[in-house]
Amino acid sequence: GAVVSQHPSWVICKSGTSVKIECRSLDFQATTMFWYRQFPKQSLMLMATSNEGSKATYEQGVEKDKFLINHASLTLSTLTVTSAHPEDSSFYICSAAGSSYNSPLHFGNGTRLTVT
Amino acid sequence: AQKVTQAQTEISVVEKEDVTLDCVYETRDTTYYLFWYKQPPSGELVFLIRRNSFDEQNEISGRYSWNFQKSTSSFNFTITASQVVDSAVYFCALSGPGSDQFYFGTGTSLTVIP
Repeated sequence: GAVVSQHPSWVICKSGTSVKIECRSLDFQATTMFWYRQFPKQSLMLMATSNEGSKATYEQGVEKDKFLINHASLTLSTLTVTSAHPEDSSFYICSAAGSSYNSPLHFGNGTRLTVT
Repeated sequence: AQKVTQAQTEISVVEKEDVTLDCVYETRDTTYYLFWYKQPPSGELVFLIRRNSFDEQNEISGRYSWNFQKSTSSFNFTITASQVVDSAVYFCALSGPGSDQFYFGTGTSLTVIP
């Protein structure tokens, strides 16, 4: 079945550094990818939608300069948390939709980011 | 407006008991999809089921069953003979005709006590 691979699974970084999270669709072409953030014991919050070859669409309140999203190919989207701060510590999950209309969403395993 | 409500925040049951997780949704779309996902402590989202709005047939998969009632806008999930491994957060979700918007409920944390 369709698989979305997200890497790394967890990362610890120091304040001020940047962290890149990769989301890959392994056996299908993902025209659209989504990035979510999940705080402890809360639901998933959509951060942004990225379409291959175009700029990402960010949800209200999400800083696009802080959370850089690049969807350079049909199988890869990256989320870069720039100048990370402790409040950026969270669980980030990506999902990908296939190229056909109404393709179901497939989720990555998530990345737990801890900023010290 | 699109909305998914999971009124049960936390549920605890003793192993082997049956448990039903409630999900109520709101949508203006005539075509939509409903989902259930399981999120174990490790964090990944495990897809359980997708149901489209034109298919109200109830579904059973092993110990899992789903009851879709358009009349009450509900898509409830029942686990029969619960096991400790069922302990997780369960999310109900809704999407419109396209997959460009996906609405999650707030999740129900299920604890199965041995």
